[in-house]
Amino acid sequence: DAKTTQPNSMESNEEEPVHLPCNHSTISGTDYIHWYRQLPSQGPEYVIHGLTSNVNNRMASLAIAEDRKSSTLILHRATLRDAAVYYCILRDFSSGSARQLTFGSGTQLTVLP
Amino acid sequence: DADVTQTPRNRITKTGKRIMLECSQTKGHDRMYWYRQDPGLGLRLIYYSFDVKDINKGEISDGYSVSRQAQAKFSLSLESAIPNQTALYFCATSDPRGRNEQYFGPGTRLTVT
Repeated sequence: DAKTTQPNSMESNEEEPVHLPCNHSTISGTDYIHWYRQLPSQGPEYVIHGLTSNVNNRMASLAIAEDRKSSTLILHRATLRDAAVYYCILRDFSSGSARQLTFGSGTQLTVLP
Repeated sequence: DADVTQTPRNRITKTGKRIMLECSQTKGHDRMYWYRQDPGLGLRLIYYSFDVKDINKGEISDGYSVSRQAQAKFSLSLESAIPNQTALYFCATSDPRGRNEQYFGPGTRLTVT
């Protein structure tokens, strides 16, 4: 599986935008970029995913570089509840096999009041 | 009510004991997964099941076994628990139709003394 690289930790002030980067230089053409987050004492939850185009949903936006070797998860206005570990994950849908998620160590986001 | 439930939520057991962790889901998904999470690390896949008759080993299946009793139930067993199986265990489900996102349970914290 292609590997992702994320900063270990980031800080943000409450109500300010947050840009969480992810590098995936070995991404293949059939890899989707998924983001999950894990709030304290909870299981991971899906945030957003995309293939080539930028994506928006009620939780966040995903900006994908033109060469797809990096992406950025954007939280438009961070709240204290957004403090979590954010995981950037690549999923290959070409083989029709396991489709399991391969988690790295993620980015611990701290939101300061 | 939660869509994915896990029992027990916390368990302390002794080395050599057999223990079963249970997962139930009401989402009607065919696919179910068991992951473990160690402190400061991401999740690693133990076993996954695409339907009742399909069970597959994941990245770290040694020392574990599973049973898919029904579409809604997927149990993880530690035949003879050892201290390095002390971890947080998560069950997840997914539906290959639509976004194929995974839905995680709240986790079971297992301590083997």
